[in-house]
Amino acid sequence: GAGVSQSPSNKVTEKGKDVELRCDPISGHTALYWYRQSLGQGLEFLIYFQGNSAPDKSGLPSDRFSAERTGGSVSTLTIQRTQQEDSAVYLCASSPDIHSGPPTDTQYFGPGTRLTVL
Amino acid sequence: AQSVTQPDIHITVSEGASLELRCNYSYGATPYLFWYVQSPGQGLQLLLKYFSGDTLVQGIKGFEAEFKRSQSSFNLRKPSVHWSDAAEYFCAVGLTGANNLFFGTGTRLTVIP
Repeated sequence: GAGVSQSPSNKVTEKGKDVELRCDPISGHTALYWYRQSLGQGLEFLIYFQGNSAPDKSGLPSDRFSAERTGGSVSTLTIQRTQQEDSAVYLCASSPDIHSGPPTDTQYFGPGTRLTVL
Repeated sequence: AQSVTQPDIHITVSEGASLELRCNYSYGATPYLFWYVQSPGQGLQLLLKYFSGDTLVQGIKGFEAEFKRSQSSFNLRKPSVHWSDAAEYFCAVGLTGANNLFFGTGTRLTVIP
């Protein structure tokens, strides 16, 4: 079956521009996560969506970052006024939430979007 | 500070040799423990996980990991490495009450013929 897909796979933008990154989770998965992977760093949690509940935004690094999830499926991560330090790989993951929820349910990751801010 | 530590940034092993990747955590309670692998251009794939019970867990691709409470460690092992195992390996921790996983910085594995 189809896994988590992300688009675009690569994005090059100029400092100050806005970018949108898209994530299509596995069908039926109710939980969706965004992480950021900077060079030489582990994954940094950004935001978590679960069904219709209010998202956990505790990992967003600044108010330039926002995300939405429409219809409980596709998610878009938006970065406004991009800065060079935003350059990273942005990973999306989804989870079926069949057990007690996070963190025990396996997270299935997409291939990521590599963002380069010039 | 709470953290997940993977002390080895890069490891090189010969094909057929054994492998051990180290992971230590510093959290108050026993966390949920995971190992993920990331091949170039790919997303992370779960190798194995530990929640409770038998401290030696088996995963996919011939990997296993052992939880040692006294050492706060969850080291990943494989008895005989294949060239296709070359990848980045991440240890991760889940905590009750937290939605996300906490990841180590990763260990890059190179396999030489």
